[in-house]
Amino acid sequence: RKEVEQDPGPFNVPEGATVAFNCTYSNSASQSFFWYRQDCRKEPKLLMSVYSSGNEDGRFTAQLNRASQYISLLIRDSKLSDSATYLCAVNIYSNYQLIWGAGTKLIIKP
Amino acid sequence: NAGVTQTPKFRVLKTGQSMTLLCAQDMNHEYMYWYRQDPGMGLRLIHYSVGEGTTAKGEVPDGYNVSRLKKQNFLLGLESAAPSQTSVYFCASSPGLAGEHYEQYFGPGTRLTVT
Repeated sequence: RKEVEQDPGPFNVPEGATVAFNCTYSNSASQSFFWYRQDCRKEPKLLMSVYSSGNEDGRFTAQLNRASQYISLLIRDSKLSDSATYLCAVNIYSNYQLIWGAGTKLIIKP
Repeated sequence: NAGVTQTPKFRVLKTGQSMTLLCAQDMNHEYMYWYRQDPGMGLRLIHYSVGEGTTAKGEVPDGYNVSRLKKQNFLLGLESAAPSQTSVYFCASSPGLAGEHYEQYFGPGTRLTVT
């Protein structure tokens, strides 16, 4: 089993809809969690950190479920510009590395 | 504040040639990383550094060497390029333990083709 797993998609979603996807992690010692966005042929960019209490930034909401060991990303009122690949990353306490998921591809259709 | 920069942006090498990729960050970050990204493979860590003068191997270090002589720079070397090293290379930096922040910030990438 991979340490961090994501549904590769693609998720095809009409503009204006709400979409959510999850990222599961296997190490219960994981402490920090992040969502990144990567556009085609570009670098990953930090979208948001995921805190125990959840995190909201405009149309984006991230949540952490420690009991079931997954993080989620919810996008409301999706825009064409939200089309991208969304990567999750997990840090295990005192480890210097982030463990990366392979990404979920999201396509927003007009 | 340029963040993380990488040079060159594109490069074509012939098998057996050598080259150095340069990464620079102006955020005074402690940690720096080199990744490669291939279609369907996700990000794979090549080498990383937790401070000036230190380096460590990541998941796929073979065929690469690194150096971090200055805190702001992290160099990735290919001594004898092979077609299997055709990839997109990303550099990243992170504040690290200094602020207990482990999020990473990426450079724009270098597209390398080895023929």
